[in-house]
Amino acid sequence: EIVLTQSPDFQSVTPEEKVTITCRASQAIGTNLHWYQQKPDQSPKLLIQYASQSFSGAPSRFSGSGSGTDFSLTINSLEAEDAATYYCHQSSSLPHTFGQGTKLEIK
Amino acid sequence: QMQLQESGPGLVKPSGTLSLTCVVSGDSVSSGNWWTWVRQPPGKGLEWIGEIFHSGITNYNSSLKSRVTISVDKSKNQLSLKVNSVTAADTALYYCATRHYYYHGSALNYWGQGTLVTVSS
Repeated sequence: EIVLTQSPDFQSVTPEEKVTITCRASQAIGTNLHWYQQKPDQSPKLLIQYASQSFSGAPSRFSGSGSGTDFSLTINSLEAEDAATYYCHQSSSLPHTFGQGTKLEIK
Repeated sequence: QMQLQESGPGLVKPSGTLSLTCVVSGDSVSSGNWWTWVRQPPGKGLEWIGEIFHSGITNYNSSLKSRVTISVDKSKNQLSLKVNSVTAADTALYYCATRHYYYHGSALNYWGQGTLVTVSS
């Protein structure tokens, strides 16, 4: 099973800051790495697919990069509505797995 | 636009069977998609349970494999999840979601709202 480890687990940030969340895979997964945003009491929403491709409807301030084992999600100019938990997800090999999540708090 | 709606009993007794359905609208379960179940224990992260293609091909998480069955009902355009021999550890919000079948490593691009299942006597 491929383990995805996100860093940090929690971050408190101010609006307009730039935030980077990382996701490290225990084995190489190419670019089969996706990022989701989950706000309280909502289902996860796809932001970035295949490491760097923005999904339809995702704000342009969200971007992704990486390949192999190291990936990152960057939020430029953070907004209050970005308060959420962010998960990475690999669908390269079975079983598909998720990172433990990174909770972003907006100060 | 595709919509997914989960439903099922909110309370299941220990050692019983958890049974959920997910009705698909805006697309056909016979289309080129994997139909997936994901769960989230209260206050915790996401766990992939398994997926099915309409032809009957299934993939399951080995941690649950012996207890889980995923199926599709083409006549009702829905998918189902059964988990038997449940314990309190199966208490979670259960989501159905979907991803493209023909693109390797595709993302879960549509999600339902989830349904909470509590295992308790």
